Amino acid sequence: DTAVSQTPKYLVTQMGNDKSIKCEQNLGHDTMYWYKQDSKKFLKIMFSYNNKELIINETVPNRFSPKSPDKAHLNLHINSLELGDSAVYFCASSQGGTSYEQYFGPGTRLTVT
Amino acid sequence: AQSVTQPDIHITVSEGASLELRCNYSYGATPYLFWYVQSPGQGLQLLLKYFSGDTLVQGIKGFEAEFKRSQSSFNLRKPSVHWSDAAEYFCAVGSFGNEKLTFGTGTRLTIIP
Repeated sequence: DTAVSQTPKYLVTQMGNDKSIKCEQNLGHDTMYWYKQDSKKFLKIMFSYNNKELIINETVPNRFSPKSPDKAHLNLHINSLELGDSAVYFCASSQGGTSYEQYFGPGTRLTVT
Repeated sequence: AQSVTQPDIHITVSEGASLELRCNYSYGATPYLFWYVQSPGQGLQLLLKYFSGDTLVQGIKGFEAEFKRSQSSFNLRKPSVHWSDAAEYFCAVGSFGNEKLTFGTGTRLTIIP
């Protein structure tokens, strides 16, 4: 009964490849997010979707494309992977409205070689 | 723009001693504030939150935090730490009507016997 789940947990790939990370939440939340945590543990928001609609799109390269097939899922597709994409990617969800606490998934550690 | 400063990168505390982790925020409107904890290899877990009302908020695992508007601070405290409290702690700030959270750079807590 995991609240926010991500797959895979680890992803090792070569430069230039295309990869996807999947996220699912069973909390019934309307809003989902993708964060990137770099090697210094700095956590920065990348995208946010509310009920399948993009509401936050930070300055992220076009190689990153989120997709939300329904409000319980938010996937992240990355094209032409670069060394600098190596990081831990966290998915999160929140109810939105006046209840803003976000619940995080376990993270996906992406290593680009 | 909203920002969060956690001045202490790393803190070492003896088991059983008291703990205070500092967080200062910068935001023009009424902020809402969070503390999250990240254990090694794990996602972020919400410890506590402040939206309004009583400025001393209680969280899980025996943690509390005090919102001081005059000092723009939201420091996290625990009267007696346990070895299991060793982790990375993140303060975050947002605002009503804005889904975006801004995180501090984190404070790594080490517990010594």
